[in-house]
Amino acid sequence: KAGVTQTPRYLIKTRGQQVTLSCSPISGHRSVSWYQQTPGQGLQFLFEYFSETQRNKGNFPGRFSGRQFSNSRSEMNVSTLELGDSALYLCASSARDRGINEQFFGPGTRLTVL
Amino acid sequence: ELKVEQNPLFLSMQEGKNYTIYCNYSTTSDRLYWYRQDPGKSLESLFVLLSNGAVKQEGRLMASLDTKARLSTLHITAAVHDLSATYFCAAYSSQGAQKLVFGQGTRLTINP
Repeated sequence: KAGVTQTPRYLIKTRGQQVTLSCSPISGHRSVSWYQQTPGQGLQFLFEYFSETQRNKGNFPGRFSGRQFSNSRSEMNVSTLELGDSALYLCASSARDRGINEQFFGPGTRLTVL
Repeated sequence: ELKVEQNPLFLSMQEGKNYTIYCNYSTTSDRLYWYRQDPGKSLESLFVLLSNGAVKQEGRLMASLDTKARLSTLHITAAVHDLSATYFCAAYSSQGAQKLVFGQGTRLTINP
């Protein structure tokens, strides 16, 4: 069973640009969550999508947005990039089994903003 | 708001020794997860603990959950170098946004 895949793995952007990251969940998983990992703030929840609908959202500005397609693939977009957006962005997929909700993480996209 | 704290944040130990990582969380949570992260890599799921008193073991790692004390522990038995990594616990928040709330991580270094 293939794991969670994320593309691209590395990105370098400059301030003010926008970026789109992609995540393909494990086959059969309908929930995709996104997290930002930085040395200072640790792992922080961005949002979760389930069946093409945003179900939950963390405390991030509106510059961070996402969407999910009918095949459960998800994209995350960050507009007007700031230096502080440099981070490892992880997506996780889950079958959202009742009472378990175990999340499986992809390899991440490392974004560097110059 | 659910907060998760781990201690210690850094742990250097010798092979063959035993040690415990502690994970405290601030409000009620009925699910607790442990993950391992190697440098530059993603998170690998280790354990899912779903009920009070749950205990799970895999090799030299054993995790337990005490929901009354809001405490989970990850015990390492007879450590080996391959267990060097950063370990995260995460509690499931069902209040407000349903999400995993992660601890700061414990960087474990096991020396020969």
